[in-house]
Amino acid sequence: NAGVTQTPKFQVLKTGQSMTLQCAQDMNHNSMYWYRQDPGMGLRLIYYSASEGTTDKGEVPNGYNVSRLNKREFSLRLESAAPSQTSVYFCASSVRGDEQFFGPGTRLTVL
Amino acid sequence: RKEVEQDPGPFNVPEGATVAFNCTYSNSASQSFFWYRQDCRKEPKLLMSVYSSGNEDGRFTAQLNRASQYISLLIRDSKLSDSATYLCVVNRGSNYGQNFVFGPGTRLSVLP
Repeated sequence: NAGVTQTPKFQVLKTGQSMTLQCAQDMNHNSMYWYRQDPGMGLRLIYYSASEGTTDKGEVPNGYNVSRLNKREFSLRLESAAPSQTSVYFCASSVRGDEQFFGPGTRLTVL
Repeated sequence: RKEVEQDPGPFNVPEGATVAFNCTYSNSASQSFFWYRQDCRKEPKLLMSVYSSGNEDGRFTAQLNRASQYISLLIRDSKLSDSATYLCVVNRGSNYGQNFVFGPGTRLSVLP
């Protein structure tokens, strides 16, 4: 079992560019999440998908969109990147409200 | 005020020391509680869940005080490998993970 995988691991963008962060899990979890982590702050929820076919906004959704492609895959898209989106992005999955399993993260820098 | 607050740290302790971390939460409807460990530049991983009666896992003991809205983590006989950031996590009040709130973390360095 690979658990939760994310691509890419690192990315540098210029302001205004777009990109998609990919996430996949092989644990048959219904729920998946996208978080960002900034220095001195806890992980903050961007979007989540409680089950296949549903997505909802979290605490900080502005500037992002998501797609729950199937039960395994949940992608995060930045349509027009801004320097404020420089962060480490983590994807996670869980069985409802239990332990969340995280991917290795994507370190994104927007210049 | 942040919904989940932790000791700012960092904590620098010698090997073999006992160290305790504190966490407070503001939402009294919170239902479940966890400690996660995050190594430098890695993803968070569950260390232990925190139960009302308190629970122990080897050198680690977690306590919950619902009346004071306070959670603690005690590490005994610290090892070099315990060096990491410890995240206090609170589930605000449902059976779903979208209500997880993460504290900012407390960094621990165990020194030889």
